[in-house]
Amino acid sequence: GAGVSQSPRYKVAKRGQDVALRCDPISGHVSLFWYQQALGQGPEFLTYFQNEAQLDKSGLPSDRFFAERPEGSVSTLKIQRTQQEDSAVYLCASSSRQGYYGYTFGSGTRLTVV
Amino acid sequence: AQSVAQPEDQVNVAEGNPLTVKCTYSVSGNPYLFWYVQYPNRGLQFLLKYITGDNLVKGSYGFEAEFNKSQTSFHLKKPSALVSDSALYFCAVRDGKSSGDKLTFGTGTRLAVRP
Repeated sequence: GAGVSQSPRYKVAKRGQDVALRCDPISGHVSLFWYQQALGQGPEFLTYFQNEAQLDKSGLPSDRFFAERPEGSVSTLKIQRTQQEDSAVYLCASSSRQGYYGYTFGSGTRLTVV
Repeated sequence: AQSVAQPEDQVNVAEGNPLTVKCTYSVSGNPYLFWYVQYPNRGLQFLLKYITGDNLVKGSYGFEAEFNKSQTSFHLKKPSALVSDSALYFCAVRDGKSSGDKLTFGTGTRLAVRP
């Protein structure tokens, strides 16, 4: 597609529930990133894929967070046993050759844990 | 490690006046620098980037930024502000020396342009 598509746009989860957030990057972009943006803050890096390989997951806050990109295109960020502190906007971005040409962000998924 | 500082939480300017949003960075290698804008309930929109070449970079919507290596700065500028420029602005850096691609963002600066 023309841009990075994320779904759902909004998600309300009860504490303890598992959630799955989807990112559909720009066709042909090899790099895919997940960021977490808390209210009033800048985006914080979570994890990075190059094609299907997860090259950096140093930003994942706990083992409740898991990301995959099995065929090198669509990616899913899964959060198990959600907690209130997980409430944030989750942004996905994709880029072509090592980010040289820039990073395109999706509109994000706003997760609210109640 | 790479980092970005945006020292101003908010910048206020009158419409028609020039604006500057400040950014300084720290990387071990050569910096790749970016500015993004975020409107309410929207994702980040790319404004401009510096990878190499001319220190003055021109981007979308009349914005420009000047790369200053000695001061490790990449301030965003616009000669004449519009009310519609009011938004949240983020500076970001990637270390060109590292094999990883990740961007590190600043905390953001809210720009308020009054009519």
